[in-house]
Amino acid sequence: DTGVSQNPRHKITKRGQNVTFRCDPISEHNRLYWYRQTLGQGPEFLTYFQNEAQLEKSRLLSDRFSAERPKGSFSTLEIQRTEQGDSAMYLCASSIGEKLFFGSGTQLSVL
Amino acid sequence: DAKTTQPPSMDCAEGRAANLPCNHSTISGNEYVYWYRQIHSQGPQYIIHGLKNNETNEMASLIITEDRKSSTLILPHATLRDTAVYYCIALNSGGSNYKLTFGKGTLLTVNP
Repeated sequence: DTGVSQNPRHKITKRGQNVTFRCDPISEHNRLYWYRQTLGQGPEFLTYFQNEAQLEKSRLLSDRFSAERPKGSFSTLEIQRTEQGDSAMYLCASSIGEKLFFGSGTQLSVL
Repeated sequence: DAKTTQPPSMDCAEGRAANLPCNHSTISGNEYVYWYRQIHSQGPQYIIHGLKNNETNEMASLIITEDRKSSTLILPHATLRDTAVYYCIALNSGGSNYKLTFGKGTLLTVNP
């Protein structure tokens, strides 16, 4: 069990650029979650997959954000036309039951 | 899911028990109490959860009051590595979506 893996760990980009993050969940975990966390705040829910189906999206997930989980395994989160307000830690979690297992996150800095 | 209230910060001496309170006065009958913690620069980590009865595992104990309006997470012998933000979350896990709603949590600082 290698845990939930997220890449990259850090991403610095210029405003207006597109970025994509990857999450590899624990194998056989059918549920996958994306969260966003800003400094001093708890993580905020963004979206949730069960297998390849995206079942819930937060209103925080504007139309510049898109998430996929094409084969029910790894997932990607893309942000188009990044803004400075997108700077945050993006966390991925997976589960098969009631416990969520989180990765270490991708820290995004938009300059 | 019911709102939870936690103190913003607490201190504890190394080797002593850390008792972290959580208020969830509006919790409904089918909502569980979950505790996660987040060590600096890491993702949250599951600790324990319970419905009515007290629970204990290798990490901690969870004491839930009889009226279920509050609970206490107990770390019996705190170490420096227990310094983290602790989140108390009320969650209706009757469905298949275990979506967690995090507050700001309690920053526990364990001092040598």
